[in-house]
Amino acid sequence: KAGVTQTPRYLIKTRGQQVTLSCSPISGHRSVSWYQQTPGQGLQFLFEYFSETQRNKGNFPGRFSGRQFSNSRSEMNVSTLELGDSALYLCASSLDQTNTGELFFGEGSRLTVL
Amino acid sequence: GDSVTQMEGPVTLSEEAFLTINCTYTATGYPSLFWYVQYPGEGLQLLLKATKADDKGSNKGFEATYRKETTSFHLEKGSVQVSDSAVYFCALKGVKLIFGTGTRLQVFP
Repeated sequence: KAGVTQTPRYLIKTRGQQVTLSCSPISGHRSVSWYQQTPGQGLQFLFEYFSETQRNKGNFPGRFSGRQFSNSRSEMNVSTLELGDSALYLCASSLDQTNTGELFFGEGSRLTVL
Repeated sequence: GDSVTQMEGPVTLSEEAFLTINCTYTATGYPSLFWYVQYPGEGLQLLLKATKADDKGSNKGFEATYRKETTSFHLEKGSVQVSDSAVYFCALKGVKLIFGTGTRLQVFP
């Protein structure tokens, strides 16, 4: 069974640009969460989606947005990139809406902002 | 709000040494507790979990006991291997899953 797939794995952008990251959850999983991982802040929760609806949102500015499609695939978008947005962005899926905390993570998309 | 505090790393050990990584938490209610592990270049993997007080989670020789009285969930392993070198994250699940800052473990032969 394929795991969580994130694309692209690596990308470089410049300040002011925007970026879209994609996540395909494990087949049958309907919940997708996004995390930002940096050396200084660790893992910070961005948002969680279930059945195309955002269920929870972390404390990030409105430049960070996401969505989920009917096939459970999810995208996150960061607009007007800043240097501090450089991070590893991790997507995780879980089976259903109970979200027991047992998440399956992808390998991440590493974003570098110059 | 809910939070998780882990000991800072890196933790450096020789193979077959005993491992303890401390984790304490602050939460309202009775959260579930987890340890996740991140090997180099990979995403996080669930290592073990405990859902109520006095539960012991275990996997791959690692153990952690949910201690409500001390609000702790320390990770232990009796004999570490070089292949255990990774970053270990303690986490709690209340409304959302919150992670500690991670502790890097380096095991040398």
